[in-house]
Amino acid sequence: DAGVIQSPRHEVTEMGQEVTLRCKPISGHDYLFWYRQTMMRGLELLIYFNNNVPIDDSGMPEDRFSAKMPNASFSTLKIQPSEPRDSAVYFCASSFGGTGIGELFFGEGSRLTVL
Amino acid sequence: LAKTTQPISMDSYEGQEVNITCSHNNIATNDYITWYQQFPSQGPRFIIQGYKTKVTNEVASLFIPADRKSSTLSLPRVSLSDTAVYYCLVGAILTGGGNKLTFGTGTQLKVEL
Repeated sequence: DAGVIQSPRHEVTEMGQEVTLRCKPISGHDYLFWYRQTMMRGLELLIYFNNNVPIDDSGMPEDRFSAKMPNASFSTLKIQPSEPRDSAVYFCASSFGGTGIGELFFGEGSRLTVL
Repeated sequence: LAKTTQPISMDSYEGQEVNITCSHNNIATNDYITWYQQFPSQGPRFIIQGYKTKVTNEVASLFIPADRKSSTLSLPRVSLSDTAVYYCLVGAILTGGGNKLTFGTGTQLKVEL
């Protein structure tokens, strides 16, 4: 398997623009997680899905952030409008719940810079 | 939420054993303890996971005392390539754990010749 695939790897945009980050989880995994990493706050869990359904979005910083998972092989994290403080590396991770253990497989991340 | 406390950084030399301890006083009954490794510009990578006592795999050992309020990751004979940030993660969404899978601040391990 190719692992968790994220796109774009790098994104530079201007304040106020819409940003869409994409994630393809590992086939067969039924959990999908979005994390944000910054120097100041470390790795923060934003939201996670189980079988395409959002389970907990309490980590989403504000209404400007939204995430969807229209099917088992695709998820998006959208920021509209973007702000400079949204600059971070956004990671997507997936996991297979059948093991009951919860090893997370991470993508390589999307580095977002908002000017 | 489970708050984990780890040393911010550690230094070691090649060939030595490194032990990184994580404190997690409010671990919940269903929570597992998982350690991840992260290299610059990469996502975290799973190292080892345990619930209690000792777990060993091909790269590390994990020691968990009976009260489960702390855990120690042991890396035998480290090499330069083990230089990375190591995260202790407490939680277990998939088994109804009491804590979400939120990472702590991590430990920057630097291995020198």
